[in-house]
Amino acid sequence: NAGVTQTPKFQVLKTGQSMTLQCAQDMNHNSMYWYRQDPGMGLRLIYYSASEGTTDKGEVPNGYNVSRLNKREFSLRLESAAPSQTSVYFCAGDRGLTDTQYFGPGTRLTVL
Amino acid sequence: QKEVEQNSGPLSVPEGAIASLNCTYSDRVSQSFFWYRQYSGKSPELIMSIYSNGDKEDGRFTAQLNKASQYVSLLIRDSQPSDSATYLCAVGAGNNRKLIWGLGTSLAVNP
Repeated sequence: NAGVTQTPKFQVLKTGQSMTLQCAQDMNHNSMYWYRQDPGMGLRLIYYSASEGTTDKGEVPNGYNVSRLNKREFSLRLESAAPSQTSVYFCAGDRGLTDTQYFGPGTRLTVL
Repeated sequence: QKEVEQNSGPLSVPEGAIASLNCTYSDRVSQSFFWYRQYSGKSPELIMSIYSNGDKEDGRFTAQLNKASQYVSLLIRDSQPSDSATYLCAVGAGNNRKLIWGLGTSLAVNP
C-alpha cells in the first residue's frame, strides 16, 4: 500500500501561473484534507472533504479551489499563484470521526 | 476561537532522560487528542492518540489526558537523539472532523 501520495514533491511557479497539486490515498479514507505549513504558523487547514462529493472551506481557503474527484483523489488548485502562497502543502486523510489523520509527504511550493 | 497551545521550545534534554511535552486546549467538548512527531523537512506522523482521561502507554511514550484541566501531555522515557523533532498536539472536537493544531514544541535530545 502506498498510503497517501502527493505530486509533485517540489514546484517553482511565477506569480500569476496556475497549477494543481494532486493527492491520492489507498487507505479507504472517507475524509481528506489540504493543509499548508509555514514557519511560525503551524498547520492551517485550507479545504477539506468530509466524504466523497462534498468539500468545505477551512481556515485559509482564499486563492485555492479543490476537487474531490472520487473517494481516492483530492486535488488542490491555485488559479493565479501569489508569493504569499509559497509554503509546504500537505494532504491528509482519515476514515472518519475522531480517527487518526495520515499525511502525505508534502509538496514544497515556491512562488516567485 | 478554539485554540491549542504548546510551548514552542526548544526543549533540550540529555540522552536517557525523560522529556515532558505539554499541550492545553480551550474547547471543553473536545473528544480526541493526538500527538504527532515531525522531523525537519518531513510530514507529521502519529505517535499517540488518546480519548479517555488517564494515561496511555506505548513503548517509551506515555500520553496523559486530563479533560477537567483541559491538558494533554506526552512523556518520552529514555530519550534518544533520534527523538529530536517537533512534536505537534492536535485536538478534535465533537462532530467536527477538523482537528485544531498546536504550533508544536521543538525537542532536542543531546548525546
